[in-house]
Amino acid sequence: EIVLTQSPATLSLSPGERATLSCRASQSVSNYLAWYQQKPGQAPRLLIYDTSNRATGIPARFSGSGSGTDFTLTISSLEPEDFAVYYCQQRSSWPPAFGQGTKLEIK
Amino acid sequence: QVQLVESGGGVVQPGRSQRLSCAASGFTFSNFAIHWVRQAPGKGLEWVALISYDGSKKKYADSVKGRFTISRDNSDNTLYLQMNSLKAEDTAVYFCARVPAAAREGVAYYFDYWGQGTLVTVSS
Repeated sequence: EIVLTQSPATLSLSPGERATLSCRASQSVSNYLAWYQQKPGQAPRLLIYDTSNRATGIPARFSGSGSGTDFTLTISSLEPEDFAVYYCQQRSSWPPAFGQGTKLEIK
Repeated sequence: QVQLVESGGGVVQPGRSQRLSCAASGFTFSNFAIHWVRQAPGKGLEWVALISYDGSKKKYADSVKGRFTISRDNSDNTLYLQMNSLKAEDTAVYFCARVPAAAREGVAYYFDYWGQGTLVTVSS
């Protein structure tokens, strides 16, 4: 079973700054990695799939990169609505596991 | 637009049963695999179960295997999760989540649409 480890657990930044979130897999997931955003009381929203493809309606300030075991979600310039919890998820093998999340909070 | 609406949550005693429903609209339900994903209070996301577009393939997380049963009624556009022998650690918000049509046979994939979730609390 693949384990995904996200870092940091909490990231404190200001609007306008650049955010870099990491996700590391316990074994290669090729490029089969997604990122979700979740706000309090809401369902997760798919942001990025297959490492670098933005889902429908996702702004260009969100981008993903990586391969194998190391992946990054970058938010180029933080907007107030971007402060939330972010999860990575792999689809390389069963079960389709999630990372434990990174909380992006306002500094 | 695509909508998934869960219902059936509530407070249930340990060892008892509960059935969750997920009503789908805005897309051809019978063409898509659907999953259940749960989130314990203040915790991360945990995949629970999958059913393929036609109900022929089902998969479960080890933590619920033998206790939970996923099913669907394509004539009524509804997904179900029958939960038996509930434990305190099953307390969570349960989301139904759709995967794109390319994954309709029931493979691991990404979740493109989610319901808002229904809270199940297992407590005496």
